[in-house]
Amino acid sequence: EPEVTQTPSHQVTQMGQEVILRCVPISNHLYFYWYRQILGQKVEFLVSFYNNEISEKSEIFDDQFSVERPDGSNFTLKIRSTKLEDSAMYFCASSEARDRDDTFGSGTRLTVV
Amino acid sequence: RKEVEQDPGPFNVPEGATVAFNCTYSNSASQSFFWYRQDCRKEPKLLMSVYSSGNEDGRFTAQLNRASQYISLLIRDSKLSDSATYLCVVNRGNQGGKLIFGQGTELSVKP
Repeated sequence: EPEVTQTPSHQVTQMGQEVILRCVPISNHLYFYWYRQILGQKVEFLVSFYNNEISEKSEIFDDQFSVERPDGSNFTLKIRSTKLEDSAMYFCASSEARDRDDTFGSGTRLTVV
Repeated sequence: RKEVEQDPGPFNVPEGATVAFNCTYSNSASQSFFWYRQDCRKEPKLLMSVYSSGNEDGRFTAQLNRASQYISLLIRDSKLSDSATYLCVVNRGNQGGKLIFGQGTELSVKP
């Protein structure tokens, strides 16, 4: 069964440092997403990406965040200057169409110290 | 008002019990509806899509009432392995097609 792959599974970083979270979406999917889940809270949408550009972003996705699809397979989320409150599980997801379900990767647990 | 609201949990039930989860959504423009399952510290996984006609997958039955903006999930003959958090999820289908999650309802099935 095709899957979304995320690396690393766990990253610890110091406050103020830049981090890049990496994802390989399912190959025939066209829509890519980042979500995050703070421990004990619900899954929250961050950003959607289609046709090599951001199609929608949430209020959480401020100037500290950026996404990129540097080649035909990878999809990255960069946080420029991490804050303590960025500590969360970050999930990458992809879907075939915008009204379909998303398939999620296993997540990157980001801990900012 | 929250865009997707679920029964607060947790639900603690014995094996073999039938359990029902309820969910309401506030945006009438919502187009697609799903139940996801999330195990502790894992990614959400699609359990089933939800259609107006109702749909069934083995022990699981999902219903959608668009007029009432209400979604339900029924689990019959619950198993220990059904213990997880059940997430009600809505897709408005516009713009980027983001999913909007409820806060989840935790289910614990005991022997």
